[in-house]
Amino acid sequence: DIQMTQSPSSLSAFVGDRVTITCRASQTINNFLNWYQQKTGKAPKLLISAASTLQSGVPSRFSGSGSGTDFTLTIGSLQPEDFATYYCQQSYITPLTFGGGTKVEIK
Amino acid sequence: QLQLQESGPGPVKPSETLSLICTVSGDSISNNNYYWGWVRQPPGKGLEWIGSVYHSGSTFYNPSLKSRVIISVDTSKNQFSLKVTSVTAADTAVYFCARLPGGFQNWFDPWGQGTLVTVSS
Repeated sequence: DIQMTQSPSSLSAFVGDRVTITCRASQTINNFLNWYQQKTGKAPKLLISAASTLQSGVPSRFSGSGSGTDFTLTIGSLQPEDFATYYCQQSYITPLTFGGGTKVEIK
Repeated sequence: QLQLQESGPGPVKPSETLSLICTVSGDSISNNNYYWGWVRQPPGKGLEWIGSVYHSGSTFYNPSLKSRVIISVDTSKNQFSLKVTSVTAADTAVYFCARLPGGFQNWFDPWGQGTLVTVSS
């Protein structure tokens, strides 16, 4: 199985801060990496597919980059509604696997 | 607008079978472009893919659960289902259903709201 490792596992930031979350795959996955946002008690929401493709309706302050084994999700200017847990997921090969999550909290 | 809704009978006793149904509205489950899948999330923990099914009945399972999982599709009802046999407390989780484009585009979008299944005697 491909292991997905996210860092940090949690972070505290101010509204307006630039936030970067990292996801590392245990082997190369090309650009088959997806990012989700999950708010407490809700289902995850797809933000970015194929490493960098922003989904319709997702604010442009979210961006993704990377290829191979190392990927990043960046929130350009953190907004109050962005406080949530973020997960990466590889779609290169089954079993589909997720990172452990990064919880973004208010500072 | 595509919507998915999980439903199930509620708490399950250890060693019994967990059964859930996902009802799809706003799209045909027979759409050739998509697969349909299940993901679970134990309380306070991360996400685990359980498996996926195509409208033809072809299935893909997580090897960690494969021996206990059956996913099937009922095109006449626009539903797909999940069964997990011989459950233990470790199977207590929120279970989500979702749509996947398939192939390398195996991302989950959209998701159902999820349903909590508790395994307890």
